[in-house]
Amino acid sequence: NAGVTQTPKFRILKIGQSMTLQCAQDMNHNYMYWYRQDPGMGLKLIYYSVGAGITDKGEVPNGYNVSRSTTEDFPLRLELAAPSQTSVYFCASSSSVGDRNQPQHFGDGTRLSIL
Amino acid sequence: DAKTTQPNSMESNEEEPVHLPCNHSTISGTDYIHWYRQLPSQGPEYVIHGLTSNVNNRMASLAIAEDRKSSTLILHRATLRDAAVYYCILSGGSNYKLTFGKGTLLTVNP
Repeated sequence: NAGVTQTPKFRILKIGQSMTLQCAQDMNHNYMYWYRQDPGMGLKLIYYSVGAGITDKGEVPNGYNVSRSTTEDFPLRLELAAPSQTSVYFCASSSSVGDRNQPQHFGDGTRLSIL
Repeated sequence: DAKTTQPNSMESNEEEPVHLPCNHSTISGTDYIHWYRQLPSQGPEYVIHGLTSNVNNRMASLAIAEDRKSSTLILHRATLRDAAVYYCILSGGSNYKLTFGKGTLLTVNP
């Protein structure tokens, strides 16, 4: 199993450009999450999904959009990139089977700079 | 959401035990206590979680105070690979919305 795979690993965008951060998991997990982490800070939840076709806002959703058409994929869309969105983005997934506190499995992150 | 308080940093020597404290005085009856760690330039990694009883796994032990207002993550023999930021997180009965604070930066000296 590859676990949670994020692409790209690094990206530089110009202000106003848009892009999609890709996230795929091969563990058949129903729950998926997007977080951002600013330097020296903890992670903040952007969006999450409890299954295909279902998404909900987290703590910091403004400026982002998500979709969940399959169990495996959970892309994050940035429209009109702004310098404040310079951050490291982490995708995670967890199982919905059994205990509701199944561990979240994280990808290695996408480092995004907006200039 | 109930908050946690952790020291900003701690230091340990290789092969010695490490006790990482976490205070959560406003914890509710349904909050689970989760610990994750983040190695440099990597995503967070699950360590352990518990509700009331002490928990052990291959990575660590979690000791929970009887009143549940504090807990301690115990690494029995620290290695250089354990140098990371350790996050203590409360969840309201499920892991949907884990809120990560700044955590404790653990330095392990050879």
